[in-house]
Amino acid sequence: DIQMTQSPSSLSASVGDRVTITCRASQSISSYLNWYQQKPGKAPKLLIYAASSLQSGVPSRFSGSGSGTDFTLTISSLQPEDFATYYCQQSYSLYTFGQGTKLEIK
Amino acid sequence: EVQLVESGGGLVQPGGSLRLSCAASGFTFSSYWMHWVRQAPGKGLVWVSRINSDGSSTSYADSVKGRFTISRDNAKNTLYLQMNSLRAEDTAVYYCARGQVAGPGMDVWGQGTTVTVSS
Repeated sequence: DIQMTQSPSSLSASVGDRVTITCRASQSISSYLNWYQQKPGKAPKLLIYAASSLQSGVPSRFSGSGSGTDFTLTISSLQPEDFATYYCQQSYSLYTFGQGTKLEIK
Repeated sequence: EVQLVESGGGLVQPGGSLRLSCAASGFTFSSYWMHWVRQAPGKGLVWVSRINSDGSSTSYADSVKGRFTISRDNAKNTLYLQMNSLRAEDTAVYYCARGQVAGPGMDVWGQGTTVTVSS
């Protein structure tokens, strides 16, 4: 089974900050990496698919990069609505989510 | 409007059974792979099961294999999850999600239905 490890597990930041979240796979997953945002009590929302493709309707301040085993999600300038939990997910061999990164207001 | 609406959750005793449904609307249901994903209280997302567009191929997480069965009725635009031999650790919000037709992600999610396994 492929394991996904996100870092950090939690992060405090301010509006306007640039934020990067990292996701590492236990083996190469090519570009089969997706990023989701989840707010409390709500369903997850797809942000980035195939490592770097922006889902329709998602603001351009979100971007993704990486391939193989190491991936990043970057938010270029944090907005108030971006404070949420972020999950990476591999879809190379079935599906595995990372443990999540909780982004909180500093 | 593209929409997924889950139903069928509730309180069930350990060892019991429950069938979840996910009603799809606003898109051609029969063209998409579908998934079930769950989230235990205060925990992260866990993929549960997947079914291909015509129902001929299914996959399961090891934790539910042999106990859960995913199925679909394309005529009724509905996805199902039959859950048997339920355990306390199956307690979670269960989401249905649509697989992207041209990508590897899950692009539409339902609001979730809560399953509680307790005596």
